[in-house]
Amino acid sequence: GAGVSQSPSNKVTEKGKDVELRCDPISGHTALYWYRQRLGQGLEFLIYFQGNSAPDKSGLPSDRFSAERTGESVSTLTIQRTQQEDSAVYLCASSLAKEKKLFFGSGTQLSVL
Amino acid sequence: QQQVKQSPQSLIVQKGGISIINCAYENTAFDYFPWYQQFPGKGPALLIAIRPDVSEKKEGRFTISFNKSAKQFSLHIMDSQPGDSATYFCAPRATSGTYKYIFGTGTRLKVLA
Repeated sequence: GAGVSQSPSNKVTEKGKDVELRCDPISGHTALYWYRQRLGQGLEFLIYFQGNSAPDKSGLPSDRFSAERTGESVSTLTIQRTQQEDSAVYLCASSLAKEKKLFFGSGTQLSVL
Repeated sequence: QQQVKQSPQSLIVQKGGISIINCAYENTAFDYFPWYQQFPGKGPALLIAIRPDVSEKKEGRFTISFNKSAKQFSLHIMDSQPGDSATYFCAPRATSGTYKYIFGTGTRLKVLA
C-alpha cells in the first residue's frame, strides 16, 4: 500500500468493553511499532515486532493490553476492559529491517466514556 | 525514568526567524538521532536525522547540531515559515535490547505570519 493504514480512525467505547485496533504496515516492512499518544503529550512506546523474533512488549502498561502480528503483515492491538485513562491516540509505525526511518499511520483516536 | 528531555514545550517565532528546539538524553546507548514533525490529526513524519559520528547535518532550512559529550542535540529551523507550525519530537533510538525510539515530550511551534 501507499502508507501505513490504521483502522478505525475513531473509536468510542464504554468503560469495561474490549477494543481491537488494526494496523496495516507498508508492504515489505518487517519492523512494526505501536505507540500511545495522550492529548498534548509525547509518544509512549508500547510494543515492537521485528520479523519472526519475539516481540518487545516492555512498554505495555498492563496485562489488559496485548498485541499480535502475523508474520510481516497486519497487527492488532487489543485493550481489554477499557478504562478512561486508556483514552488516547494509538499510533502504528513500520520500517524496513535495515532502515531507521519510521513511517507512521494517522492513528486511532480511542475515547473511553 | 525519563531518558529524553525536550525543550521548550512551546515556541512562538516570527516569520523569517530562527526556531531552536533542544533535546537532552541520559542513556548513552543511542545510535540514531532523528527529529519528527507532526501536524494535527496526522502521525509524525521524519524531518531530519543524524548519526552520532557527525556533529552537524543540514537539509535545506533544517539543521541538526549534535554534541555527544553533552548528550544533547538540537533542531534549528532557519527562515521559519507559517507552514512550519507543527509539533516537533526528538526520538533517539535506543540500542539496548531491541531497537526502540524514545520520543521526547514534544515542542509545539507556532510561526506568526
